[in-house]
Amino acid sequence: KAGVTQTPRYLIKTRGQQVTLSCSPISGHRSVSWYQQTPGQGLQFLFEYFSETQRNKGNFPGRFSGRQFSNSRSEMNVSTLELGDSALYLCASSLDPGLAGRNNEQFFGPGTRLTVL
Amino acid sequence: QKEVEQNSGPLSVPEGAIASLNCTYSDRGSQSFFWYRQYSGKSPELIMSIYSNGDKEDGRFTAQLNKASQYVSLLIRDSQPSDSATYLCAVRSGPGYSTLTFGKGTMLLVSP
Repeated sequence: KAGVTQTPRYLIKTRGQQVTLSCSPISGHRSVSWYQQTPGQGLQFLFEYFSETQRNKGNFPGRFSGRQFSNSRSEMNVSTLELGDSALYLCASSLDPGLAGRNNEQFFGPGTRLTVL
Repeated sequence: QKEVEQNSGPLSVPEGAIASLNCTYSDRGSQSFFWYRQYSGKSPELIMSIYSNGDKEDGRFTAQLNKASQYVSLLIRDSQPSDSATYLCAVRSGPGYSTLTFGKGTMLLVSP
C-alpha cells in the first residue's frame, strides 16, 4: 500500500507570495492533518480534516488555510508569506481519528520544505 | 493548554545498551499515545502506539503507559547506532476528533 505523498517536496518563495501544498493520504484513510515543523517550535498542529470538513484548527493566523476533497486529498494554502513561514510542512493521514485504537494512528508523508526569502 | 513534555537530550548510550525515553502529559483525559522516530532531515515515522496501562512490546521496542502518573515511556533494547534519531512522544485526548499533541522530542545518540 502506497504511503502518504506530498508535493512539491521543496519550494522557494519570496515574502508576500502565496503557496499551495498538496497531500494525498494512504488509500482508504479519510483524515488528513497538517503540521508545521521548525527547529525552535517543534511540530505544531495546523488543522485536521475528515470527510471534507475541518474538524480541528491550531493556533495559526488566517493566512493559513486548507481544504479536503471528496477523494480525501488535501491542500493547504499560505498567503502573504513571511520569513517566519520557512519550515517543513508535514501532512499525516489516519483512518478515522474519531474512533479508538489503531483507527487513529497517524502516518506522515515526506514533507514539503518551504523556504521564504 | 494540553502539554506533552520530553527531555530534549541528547541521551547518549553505548551500542547494545537499553535506551529509556520518557514523556509526561498534562491532559488526564488522554486516551491514545504514540512514539515516533525522526531521522535528521526526514519525516516522523510511527514506531509504537499504546492505549491501555501497562507494557506493549514490539521487537526491540517496549512502550510503557501509566495513566495515573500521566507518564509514557519507550525502552529500546540492544540499541544500535541506526537508532540514533529524535524520538517524538504524541498524545491524543479522547475521541471526537481531538488533536494529536507532540512533545518536542528527545535526541538519542547510540555510540558504536
